[in-house]
Amino acid sequence: AQSVTQPDIHITVSEGASLELRCNYSYGATPYLFWYVQSPGQGLQLLLKYFSGDTLVQGIKGFEAEFKRSQSSFNLRKPSVHWSDAAEYFCAVGVAGSARQLTFGSGTQLTVLP
Amino acid sequence: DAGITQSPRYKITETGRQVTLMCHQTWSHSYMFWYRQDLGHGLRLIYYSAAADITDKGEVPDGYVVSRSKTENFPLTLESATRSQTSVYFCASSESGPGAGSGNTIYFGEGSWLTVV
Repeated sequence: AQSVTQPDIHITVSEGASLELRCNYSYGATPYLFWYVQSPGQGLQLLLKYFSGDTLVQGIKGFEAEFKRSQSSFNLRKPSVHWSDAAEYFCAVGVAGSARQLTFGSGTQLTVLP
Repeated sequence: DAGITQSPRYKITETGRQVTLMCHQTWSHSYMFWYRQDLGHGLRLIYYSAAADITDKGEVPDGYVVSRSKTENFPLTLESATRSQTSVYFCASSESGPGAGSGNTIYFGEGSWLTVV
């Protein structure tokens, strides 16, 4: 079965600084990978997804992520963080051909300092 | 507005009571899902449905019942609520399964906060 690890429970960055959130997955074949963001009291919103092709994926709100098969990673990045980016971020892995749902990581809480 | 609507958004109930969380989507998506979100666990799948009258268990189905008589509705019932079922519940939908070749997008509702006392 697939699994996802987000090693950082909580990250604090200053506004304007760069951001990288880590995600490692475990799966035998090429996975489908997703990053979701959850603002307080809200549901999850898809930031970006990877399922094939270019390993550098662009998403909404200025986010990008890079799929590195050799490292089993799909880290999320943003060059300059805005205060509105403060939220919880979830990485998830899906399995090709499987109707069962995504497997989510436990999340990384992002705090942005003014 | 189109989307996924969950109700109630907030609920407090007593141990042993039956509780039903409602989920309605306006996209006519085939797939619908119920997750629970607990601190340190991320989101875990309770049940999912590939179409009306087709449901299947997820990772943590015990203590829950689902039905899907209409494509747009996917209620989740806790037959006899326990304190361990205190959680935030998210309903979600997608046009096709998450393993579909398009890397299908899943859309989430805003969540239902359930407290069992």
